[in-house]
Amino acid sequence: QSALTQPASVSGSPGQSITISCAGTTSDVGGYNYVSWYQHHPGKAPRLMIFDVSNRPSGVSNRFSGSKSGNTASLTISGLQAEDEADYYCSSYTTSSTYVFGTGTKVTVL
Amino acid sequence: QVQLQESGPGLVEPSGTLSLTCAVSGASISSTDWWSCVRQPPGKGLEWIGQIYHTGITTYNPSLKSRVTLSVDESKNHFSLTLTSMTAADTAVYYCATSSYYRVEFRGQGTMVTVSS
Repeated sequence: QSALTQPASVSGSPGQSITISCAGTTSDVGGYNYVSWYQHHPGKAPRLMIFDVSNRPSGVSNRFSGSKSGNTASLTISGLQAEDEADYYCSSYTTSSTYVFGTGTKVTVL
Repeated sequence: QVQLQESGPGLVEPSGTLSLTCAVSGASISSTDWWSCVRQPPGKGLEWIGQIYHTGITTYNPSLKSRVTLSVDESKNHFSLTLTSMTAADTAVYYCATSSYYRVEFRGQGTMVTVSS
């Protein structure tokens, strides 16, 4: 299985909105509505931000939202804040009953 | 709230075998959860290694399947990862996680494993 494709970096100014894409195939992203997104600050464990394409776990800000169209999922961060600067990864359950992660996106708040 | 604590050797010799243990607290390993391992090489992205159910059912990343074994010890409430024929490419932070409900949730802080002589 190949890693899902994400842009290497995305940047935005405080208060702006940014969107990170996550491209897969019909065997993963397009196969099920089981796409998750993680925020990863260096030295810490990745934090689940979105599950099942668009659901937020308790405690996650509603500034984070997810969507999917075909084989591509997206994470949008609105009202960008300095604390949002981190690496972001998507993940999908696959038709082989495995998981695959994305290549990762570094978000920079200008 | 389920918490996981990784225990690993820190250093493994090339061609050696990694044995890493994930201790479960806050839940029984015999619950309905699936248990996963994920790793992150320095400067690279996350890679899912595999998952196990308490009955012993496993699924593995196809790229690692020939070298990986996950096992459960219900009496100790922990699960273990064994990775054989280690090379420098296996140097990474290894995480323990749950993978129930079709999503991976990181429950441990991770442990660094370096392959070097």
